[in-house]
Formats: sequence, structure tokens, C-alpha cells
Amino acid sequence: KNEVEQSPQNLTAQEGEFITINCSYSVGISALHWLQQHPGGGIVSLFMLSSGKKKHGRLIATINIQEKHSSLHITASHPRDSAVYICAVRWVVRRSGGGADGLTFGKGTHLIIQP
Amino acid sequence: DAGVIQSPRHEVTEMGQEVTLRCKPISGHNSLFWYRQTMMRGLELLIYFNNNVPIDDSGMPEDRFSAKMPNASFSTLKIQPSEPRDSAVYFCASSLWGSGAYEQYFGPGTRLTVT
Repeated sequence: KNEVEQSPQNLTAQEGEFITINCSYSVGISALHWLQQHPGGGIVSLFMLSSGKKKHGRLIATINIQEKHSSLHITASHPRDSAVYICAVRWVVRRSGGGADGLTFGKGTHLIIQP
Repeated sequence: DAGVIQSPRHEVTEMGQEVTLRCKPISGHNSLFWYRQTMMRGLELLIYFNNNVPIDDSGMPEDRFSAKMPNASFSTLKIQPSEPRDSAVYFCASSLWGSGAYEQYFGPGTRLTVT
């Protein structure tokens, strides 16, 4: 059972729209990461969060520890934002089946921004 | 800076052969990570090093996989013998541990196909 769930799996929107991608997890974590994977396969680390909110340009990431939920927002979306957005969590208590460093990845959200 | 460099970019080999993937981290970074990405399992962290020392290899799938970091500027991931289920994209990433940001910089990946 994948204990990191992302929603939606796929999202198509028009340029300029406000985008929200969600990540939920099952138990306590020490950190949550958001990654962006471009259509060509390259991966960029966007944020690492343990609490609160972070902002970089048009991207905003929030985390609610009590609700075990994080969101990634994109304001004024643009076709170049089209990518797969991946959430990853580091568990406080190591869980079986997880990768090294207790890091478990979500399946990703495929985002397409149409001009 | 050239970023994280991986070689080869593509590797096609036959089952049973030894495969060696190479990574040069960003100069000055002291942490290095090896990831694997497949359609079925998504991204997985296999192993990571701090200051050339393997810290956690619990994500390495089997004894057929081994990783080394003989110095701060070079790491290898070896599969011996290779099997078709090892076909995946292998990413290397580096970061500056202790900076507080924990931002990882990913290489372009090596696409491995085992026939």
C-alpha cells in the first residue's frame, strides 16, 4: 500500500489558472519534499518542508502537520509549468518497503498547461 | 558549474552482464544520492553517502547492486549480474549537507535497458 497519495493524478488547465496539487501521507514525517520532473526527464528539487509555508517565484508549498497534508500551488500558470510534480516524505519511524533514509515517493501528478 | 554529470546516458546490455553507472557530483557538495525510477514503482532512493561514507543502503534492492564513492568527486553504481527487471532510469543527485536547505541537484539520469 502506497502511503503517500497524490491528487489529482492528471490535471489539464489553461494558461493563467491557479493550480493546486495535493499530497497526503499516513503517519508522522520529519520532512516533505516537492520535486518537478520535466517532460524530457530532468528532475528539479523545488521545496523541502517540515512546517508552515515556503514560496519561490510563482510556486508556493504548504504543509499541515496535524492533517498530514501538503499542497503545491502554482499561480499564473504557464505552459512551461507542464511537468510531473512528485511529493516525497521522510518518515519519523522507518516503514517497511520504503527507500533509503525512510524516503517514500508519491506516484506524481501529471500537469499540462495549455496556452 | 556543469551540474551533476552521469555516464553513460543510455546503456543497453544483455542479461547477466555487469553494468557500471557513473556519477560526478557538483564540486563542493558532500552528499550524494542514487535513485531508480520505473513506471511500476516510481522513484526510489537506493543509497546515499555523506562525506564519501555510505549512510543508508536499505533501498538497494538486492546484493547484485553495489555502490561506491572512492572520493568526493566520483561515485559508481554497479549491477552484477544484471536482469531485465533492472531496466529503469537511474538518477544521481548531490547536495550540500548541513546547509539547512537540503536542496538536491539531480543529474540527467542513465537509462538502462537489460534485454
